[in-house]
Amino acid sequence: GQQLNQSPQSMFIQEGEDVSMNCTSSSIFNTWLWYKQDPGEGPVLLIALYKAGELTSNGRLTAQFGITRKDSFLNISASIPSDVGIYFCAGPWISGGSNYKLTFGKGTLLTVNP
Amino acid sequence: EADIYQTPRYLVIGTGKKITLECSQTMGHDKMYWYQQDPGMELHLIHYSYGVNSTEKGDLSSESTVSRIRTEHFPLTLESARPSHTSQYLCASSESGDTDTQYFGPGTRLTVL
Repeated sequence: GQQLNQSPQSMFIQEGEDVSMNCTSSSIFNTWLWYKQDPGEGPVLLIALYKAGELTSNGRLTAQFGITRKDSFLNISASIPSDVGIYFCAGPWISGGSNYKLTFGKGTLLTVNP
Repeated sequence: EADIYQTPRYLVIGTGKKITLECSQTMGHDKMYWYQQDPGMELHLIHYSYGVNSTEKGDLSSESTVSRIRTEHFPLTLESARPSHTSQYLCASSESGDTDTQYFGPGTRLTVL
């Protein structure tokens, strides 16, 4: 399958700071998805991007679909303690015929110090 | 808000027992998936289904089996649980199409003693 390189692996920040993380791939994606996972829970979809160049916000979160279609970033502004968790990027690739499977980045662990 | 459910949320069981992890979704999605994830680690696809009576093995080899008799239901079974099966199991579903935006259930945390 395709590989997504997600960075950074982990971040330790102070409450109120802005955060930025990104995903890159050697292949073109038609969709970029960003998920957040709290400990012991399933990933929750934060933002879905379907068009190159698209910039989408969800509250304090902003994500962009890179123009080259090989990268995406997620920004969190004015972080708060409940932002703690693991953030995953994901993108679908053709697994056979017209079927798609998601490939996931390895995640960015975010810790926010109050 | 995604309507996908998993039961049980937590399961502690002895070696050799047969277990079934339940997953149901009420969104009418054709595609369903099972992932295995160790704490803080990446997700590994172990099974998927593109519709009723369709099941495929994922990228990570697993001793578990799945069935898809109804659109909304995608149970995972382990015939004989072992300590190496201890992990978090996540179910997901998505609509047909090329965006494959998947929605996840809350997961089942399995511990095999």
